[in-house]
Amino acid sequence: SQTIHQWPATLVQPVGSPLSLECTVEGTSNPNLYWYRQAAGRGLQLLFYSVGIGQISSEVPQNLSASRPQDRQFILSSKKLLLSDSGFYLCAWSAPDRRNTEAFFGQGTRLTVV
Amino acid sequence: AQSVAQPEDQVNVAEGNPLTVKCTYSVSGNPYLFWYVQYPNRGLQFLLKYITGDNLVKGSYGFEAEFNKSQTSFHLKKPSALVSDSALYFCAVRAPTDSWGKLQFGAGTQVVVTP
Repeated sequence: SQTIHQWPATLVQPVGSPLSLECTVEGTSNPNLYWYRQAAGRGLQLLFYSVGIGQISSEVPQNLSASRPQDRQFILSSKKLLLSDSGFYLCAWSAPDRRNTEAFFGQGTRLTVV
Repeated sequence: AQSVAQPEDQVNVAEGNPLTVKCTYSVSGNPYLFWYVQYPNRGLQFLLKYITGDNLVKGSYGFEAEFNKSQTSFHLKKPSALVSDSALYFCAVRAPTDSWGKLQFGAGTQVVVTP
């Protein structure tokens, strides 16, 4: 069966520090991968998605970047964090080439920038 | 572009009573519709989806949803709510033309089930 791992679960970082959040998927090949952010309210915003190694699409301009160095690894990064980067970050995957499939989410990372 | 509306910020229901969480959507073509549930500080869990076929879709934990094309709605229902159903519920839509599986989420509805 497929599983998705996301870490760390919580993170407190000072303003201006770098960020690296990692997500890995097991049990599937060439998944579509996604990073979402959930702000303090509750809405989910798609930040990045990837359909293959090295292929990253950004949905909104921001202080963050994403990379996919391996087929089942997705990394969210920042060179210098802002207070506004605080939030709950969720990684997700879905099966490739299947438009009717659901997405499966990791357990999330609570990022607090202080 | 597609969009999803969840008109209720919060739904309160007594345990044992029926639960309904409303969702309306806007998308070109026939939509793919999903419901997810989120418990505090956890990721989203998939409940059910509508792709095509029968308008009544059954999912996990006794939940079901009814697709109504004329009203562009996809309301989530449970005949008898449990206290453990208290959580944040999200409706999501994917456009049929989207090849990359991107989901557009509603703002979420907090469900509170009281004993």
